[in-house]
Amino acid sequence: QSVLTQPPSVSGAPGQRVTISCTGSSSNIGAGYDVHWYQQLPGAAPKLLIYVNTNRPSGVPDRFSGSKSGTSASLAITGLQAEDEADYYCLSYDSSLSDPKYVFGTGTKVTVL
Amino acid sequence: QVQLVQSGPEVKKPGASVKVSCKATGYTFTSYDINWVRQATGQGLEWMGRMDRNSGKTVYAQKFQGRVTMTRDTSISTAYMELSSLRSDDTAMYYCARGPPPDYYGAGSYFDPWGRGTQVTVSS
Repeated sequence: QSVLTQPPSVSGAPGQRVTISCTGSSSNIGAGYDVHWYQQLPGAAPKLLIYVNTNRPSGVPDRFSGSKSGTSASLAITGLQAEDEADYYCLSYDSSLSDPKYVFGTGTKVTVL
Repeated sequence: QVQLVQSGPEVKKPGASVKVSCKATGYTFTSYDINWVRQATGQGLEWMGRMDRNSGKTVYAQKFQGRVTMTRDTSISTAYMELSSLRSDDTAMYYCARGPPPDYYGAGSYFDPWGRGTQVTVSS
């Protein structure tokens, strides 16, 4: 049971904009820890999409953007394309005294209609 | 280019141990942390622990403490993750993933790149 909550699924038509939220708490995102985003295509390892809240690694299209505010973060995909159909996960650090650790979001499946 | 090459699939009986390897190529192995993450089929990602690039010290998620051991052999740029007392719910894909660059001082690391994963199946 992850401490970072994402919607199970989002969908959109080609060309549309979709957003994925990642909701945390005062022990992780709200404590100032950075949020990173991953795309996982079927049968593949996760691929870094956004790092340190808003930064795109080289090679990642600028259709992908990230933001962070308070205890939440978001990933936006503009100009949705068929190849964007995948699972998406956020990653942050949780400073819980009882069990500090890196935590992933629950994951969101993006479907291109 | 930077790659993490993992060992092949494993099938183990309950109670046994498994040791997964992760060979780093294309960069200086001791300049980056190595993390281990697992994913059960159809489920989300779960961080297991990491090894510090400089000291080789390990930090494990509480859930795995006592059952997991992460080691490395710097002479062959290879990291290892051993999980003992295997149960059926340890059946999963196990990934190694590199930590951020040495000059990164952010609040919480990211992992990039990842190995392709090692499937571990626990079945009697």
